[in-house]
Amino acid sequence: ETGVTQTPRHLVMGMTNKKSLKCEQHLGHNAMYWYKQSAKKPLELMFVYSLEERVENNSVPSRFSPECPNSSHLFLHLHTLQPEDSALYLCASSQEDSTARYNYGYTFGSGTRLTVV
Amino acid sequence: ELKVEQNPLFLSMQEGKNYTIYCNYSTTSDRLYWYRQDPGKSLESLFVLLSNGAVKQEGRLMASLDTKARLSTLHITAAVHDLSATYFCAVTFIQGAQKLVFGQGTRLTINP
Repeated sequence: ETGVTQTPRHLVMGMTNKKSLKCEQHLGHNAMYWYKQSAKKPLELMFVYSLEERVENNSVPSRFSPECPNSSHLFLHLHTLQPEDSALYLCASSQEDSTARYNYGYTFGSGTRLTVV
Repeated sequence: ELKVEQNPLFLSMQEGKNYTIYCNYSTTSDRLYWYRQDPGKSLESLFVLLSNGAVKQEGRLMASLDTKARLSTLHITAAVHDLSATYFCAVTFIQGAQKLVFGQGTRLTINP
């Protein structure tokens, strides 16, 4: 496989459930990101991992918990979500230089459409 | 505050017409991206603009960048139905980590 792969493509969960979204990149990139896309808001950056370290948590509620076990995999663990968390969750990866200040472009996955009931 | 603003947000046009989407951003940046998104699909990279005065063209789409005005444009020439999609501009900022911040998107509908 090539590119950025996200699973599952669709997820329906109750507010008391715990689930995880998975992202895998086959591009050899060293940075990975979670974005949230809601119907009425711009794409919102949630988390940034650079060289497997979380370098950005963009004021995301604690019911979202990211995990980056290695440079190719990124998870988003979900628990006790609210209906307003229903959205398309996009994963992206990129290659940064050693200073993490120069980026060679972003590749996005197809997203997970999450519905919280 | 980091802001990227597009206009218009909705655009309905007829095939064969020309139009321009505008993208303004609030803080100095070293690169600007244009993406296309079809309904239910992910983001497809269209252009990366790196320097002032940069112009890139692909088919009926042409993007330009004016870093002094903090403005990019996406020009559509002789539109065809296949170009119907939502178009996003995004700008990289360095605030702690490097971030890619998106505009609201422009939903483009091209009618036969």
